[in-house]
Amino acid sequence: GPKVLQIPSHQIIDMGQMVTLNCDPVSNHLYFYWYKQILGQQMEFLVNFYNGKVMEKSKLFKDQFSVERPDGSYFTLKIQPTALEDSAVYFCASSFSGANTGQLYFGEGSKLTVL
Amino acid sequence: QQQVRQSPQSLTVWEGETTILNCSYEDSTFDYFPWYRQFPGKSPALLIAISLVSNKKEDGRFTIFFNKREKKLSLHITDSQPGDSATYFCAASKAGNTRKLIFGLGTTLQVQP
Repeated sequence: GPKVLQIPSHQIIDMGQMVTLNCDPVSNHLYFYWYKQILGQQMEFLVNFYNGKVMEKSKLFKDQFSVERPDGSYFTLKIQPTALEDSAVYFCASSFSGANTGQLYFGEGSKLTVL
Repeated sequence: QQQVRQSPQSLTVWEGETTILNCSYEDSTFDYFPWYRQFPGKSPALLIAISLVSNKKEDGRFTIFFNKREKKLSLHITDSQPGDSATYFCAASKAGNTRKLIFGLGTTLQVQP
């Protein structure tokens, strides 16, 4: 089936550093999402992105977070500076038609550990 | 406050039994309810989904029963197999230009051989 690729799979950084999580969505998909999952709990919506713009973001999407997809390349989540509470697994997801079926394809996650 | 609630939190059944996972929601504007399955260390994957126009959706051993009046859903897994052991997330979304999914906390299922 369609694959969403995430790089890196695991990153360990010191608090205060910057981190960029990369996502290669399914090629013909138009809607892109980031979710945050802590310790195997539920996935919580962070942000979604369409046509080069943030469409909606949650209160978890702090000012230190930013997303972009320059020139149709990776869809990235940048955290600058990082905080201890940012430690989590971040899942990227993409959807062809966000307004219709709601079917999201998820990557395998990027585990971020902030020390 | 959880917009999507799931119960039980965890469940152990024997191989061959029918597993029943429960989900409920409050927001009456939700109109699409997918169930995602996540194996440890893996990405969640869509298992089966139902919309407001249906009361039941079946796909092989997996069936969603939907009580719209009570805003409750249940996922039934017949002839449960050890390979079904995973965490099952109920999710909900509403019409709009983002179609974000709101996930429940999940039910962790263990099927014993």
